[in-house]
Amino acid sequence: AQSVAQPEDQVNVAEGNPLTVKCTYSVSGNPYLFWYVQYPNRGLQFLLKYITGDNLVKGSYGFEAEFNKSQTSFHLKKPSALVSDSALYFCAVRGKYSGAGSYQLTFGKGTKLSVIP
Amino acid sequence: NAGVTQTPKFQVLKTGQSMTLQCAQDMNHEYMSWYRQDPGMGLRLIHYSVGAGITDQGEVPNGYNVSRSTTEDFPLRLLSAAPSQTSVYFCASSYRGTSTDTQYFGPGTRLTVL
Repeated sequence: AQSVAQPEDQVNVAEGNPLTVKCTYSVSGNPYLFWYVQYPNRGLQFLLKYITGDNLVKGSYGFEAEFNKSQTSFHLKKPSALVSDSALYFCAVRGKYSGAGSYQLTFGKGTKLSVIP
Repeated sequence: NAGVTQTPKFQVLKTGQSMTLQCAQDMNHEYMSWYRQDPGMGLRLIHYSVGAGITDQGEVPNGYNVSRSTTEDFPLRLLSAAPSQTSVYFCASSYRGTSTDTQYFGPGTRLTVL
């Protein structure tokens, strides 16, 4: 079964410093990987996805993610953190086939990012 | 374009009561799904639908029913609420599932079962 793991429950980083939120995956076949962000009391918002191609994927709000096949990782990064980046971040992978060309999405448990002023 | 809307935002139920969580989308998306979010457990799929008239079970379907009579609406029914169903519920939709298409999430319903 497809799965993702987020090894850190919480990440703290100072404003202006680079940030990394880690994700590792386990899939059979080619991975389809996603990052979502959840701000307090809000639904999840799509940040970026890796389907194929360049290992560095650029997304919304200045975030990017690096796909590493040998390490089975898909870490989320940002060169300079903002206080407004403080949120819950979820890694996800395309999972079980649902039919009609659709697939389920399997989420990690989430990592709480706190950016300290 | 309202995206994905959910009602109510908050609900308190007593054990044994039933209720329906509403979800609607105006993007003509074929794929819709319901998740529950619990602390430390991420999001878990309850039920999903690949189009009007077609539904199927996800990872944690027990105690919930769904139907999909129109493309726009995908209500989630709690048949007899239990404290274990206290959670935040999210509805999501996408054009063709998640092979390449992004899922759009509603704002959530926070449910407490006493």
